[in-house]
Amino acid sequence: DAGVIQSPRHEVTEMGQEVTLRCKPISGHDYLFWYRQTMMRGLELLIYFNNNVPIDDSGMPEDRFSAKMPNASFSTLKIQPSEPRDSAVYFCASSVGWINIQYFGAGTRLSVL
Amino acid sequence: RKEVEQDPGPFNVPEGATVAFNCTYSNSASQSFFWYRQDCRKEPKLLMSVYSSGNEDGRFTAQLNRASQYISLLIRDSKLSDSATYLCVVNERGNSGYSTLTFGKGTMLLVSP
Repeated sequence: DAGVIQSPRHEVTEMGQEVTLRCKPISGHDYLFWYRQTMMRGLELLIYFNNNVPIDDSGMPEDRFSAKMPNASFSTLKIQPSEPRDSAVYFCASSVGWINIQYFGAGTRLSVL
Repeated sequence: RKEVEQDPGPFNVPEGATVAFNCTYSNSASQSFFWYRQDCRKEPKLLMSVYSSGNEDGRFTAQLNRASQYISLLIRDSKLSDSATYLCVVNERGNSGYSTLTFGKGTMLLVSP
């Protein structure tokens, strides 16, 4: 299996621009998670889906953040408009079952100038 | 309030040394515990699950102390390749009421020749 695939690996953008991060979970996994990692706050859960349905989005920092999962093999995390404080590494992870081992993608390193 | 606390380190040890990390958690009802490893600029990867009776995988031993609400990771005969950040992971109930895996900020280990 190819594992969790994220794109792009790096994104540099200017403040105010829209940013879209993409994730393809491992086939057969029914849970998908979006995390943000910074030195100050560590790994923070933003939102997670079960069978393509958003379950808990309480970690989404602001209305500028939105996430979708139109089908079992694709999810997006969108930031509009982006701000410098959004600079971080964004990870997508998937798992079989709810509280279970999560497999992470390689992450997207976002820099907002 | 969800809390998974770890000593950030770094722990500097020579090759061959034995080193131990602890992690405390706040939710006495937590049922799932893991240690993940994260190399510099890479994604977190599962190192081992932690079972109630304690478990061992080669040079690595994980233990759970429910009474004191902490888990530990012991690494024997440290190798240079063990240098990484070790993340403690516990299922906690988030602000929305949903339970999910919560990651500690990690403990950095540096093994020197």
